[in-house]
Amino acid sequence: QKEVEQDPGPLSVPEGAIVSLNCTYSNSAFQYFMWYRQYSRKGPELLMYTYSSGNKEDGRFTAQVDKSSKYISLFIRDSQPSDSATYLCAMNDDYKLSFGAGTTVTVRA
Amino acid sequence: EAQVTQNPRYLITVTGKKLTVTCSQNMNHEYMSWYRQDPGLGLRQIYYSMNVEVTDKGDVPEGYKVSRKEKRNFPLILESPSPNQTSLYFCASSWGGQETQYFGPGTRLLVL
Repeated sequence: QKEVEQDPGPLSVPEGAIVSLNCTYSNSAFQYFMWYRQYSRKGPELLMYTYSSGNKEDGRFTAQVDKSSKYISLFIRDSQPSDSATYLCAMNDDYKLSFGAGTTVTVRA
Repeated sequence: EAQVTQNPRYLITVTGKKLTVTCSQNMNHEYMSWYRQDPGLGLRQIYYSMNVEVTDKGDVPEGYKVSRKEKRNFPLILESPSPNQTSLYFCASSWGGQETQYFGPGTRLLVL
């Protein structure tokens, strides 16, 4: 079993919809929880990171962590075609990082 | 411009022919790491380095070597490449917190 599970999708939504992405994990030692966005043929870029359970908001993006359930989420409000990308969750245990497989999202104009 | 660079960006080679993929960062980052990305498997960590001369294995280190002799450079060495090392490779760096990594543009490797 992988340490980090993420539904690969693909996910297709109309412009303006809320995109909901999530990951589950098994390692309770994970400390930081990150979300990366990866456009086709590009390297991942960091969107947000959180440390504790709860919500963190940054513009149209909200990251949610529930350590008791070992579950993290990313919500994208008012989605735009430019949000079409693969979204990767990641988490670290000290210096080692583990990534989800990524969810491919398409926002239709 | 702050960036992580990788060379080459694309490489086709044959089984057993030693190769090196270079990674360089200009942000004075302490932490550097190598990943491979395969369809359905996501990013998997190969090796990481906490600082000069300090390296450690990630989840998939077999068949790879690294060295960190200078802070800015972290080359990935494949001593005897095999077809199962065909993949997309990313180098990343950060100041010390793994939560804020900057990724390079990737190196696409095909081993025949």
